[in-house]
Amino acid sequence: GAVVSQHPSWVICKSGTSVKIECRSLDFQATTMFWYRQFPKQSLMLMATSNEGSKATYEQGVEKDKFLINHASLTLSTLTVTSAHPEDSSFYICSARGGANQPQHFGDGTRLSIL
Amino acid sequence: GENVEQHPSTLSVQEGDSAVIKCTYSDSASNYFPWYKQELGKRPQLIIDIRSNVGEKKDQRIAVTLNKTAKHFSLHITETQPEDSAVYFCAANSGNTPLVFGKGTRLSVIA
Repeated sequence: GAVVSQHPSWVICKSGTSVKIECRSLDFQATTMFWYRQFPKQSLMLMATSNEGSKATYEQGVEKDKFLINHASLTLSTLTVTSAHPEDSSFYICSARGGANQPQHFGDGTRLSIL
Repeated sequence: GENVEQHPSTLSVQEGDSAVIKCTYSDSASNYFPWYKQELGKRPQLIIDIRSNVGEKKDQRIAVTLNKTAKHFSLHITETQPEDSAVYFCAANSGNTPLVFGKGTRLSVIA
């Protein structure tokens, strides 16, 4: 149980393009979803936390107008990287949790490469 | 907010030897401490976790210890095998807060 599906797994696109990444909890209702970013040989850094039906809370230094997060249902959250540039190239991983004191379950990640 | 420090950043051991990775955390409210193994290009995989009401937990060759007073926890891998080679992350959180990760340890098991 507790499967989180993330799509796409790999995206290559030109600079200036907007990219949408989907994160779905397949067999549980995710009241909270988290988006992390991982640069090569670095750790997972939290970008934002989103609760279903509420605006996302962004970590310091993360541009909310560039990284649009939508959590419209208990099973789906999306991250849209708007006007992506090469410095946005990274591994993006979503994580979902069923409730307080519940473990976080991770998606397989999306490797984003901006040319 | 929570801050998690992890050491060492790299660790090489001979096959069959033990490996120990240590983490410290800053928020005394943290009560959940998972360890993840991440292979290149893949998501982190939970390998063991411990909650603050327990001092030690073991699962076959893997064990985790927690010292709440000192705010540190450690991962112990015994009888290491080449397939244990990966990057290991510790993390911490409490209740509603998101997991905060350490910077990772690259473990190499030399056959």
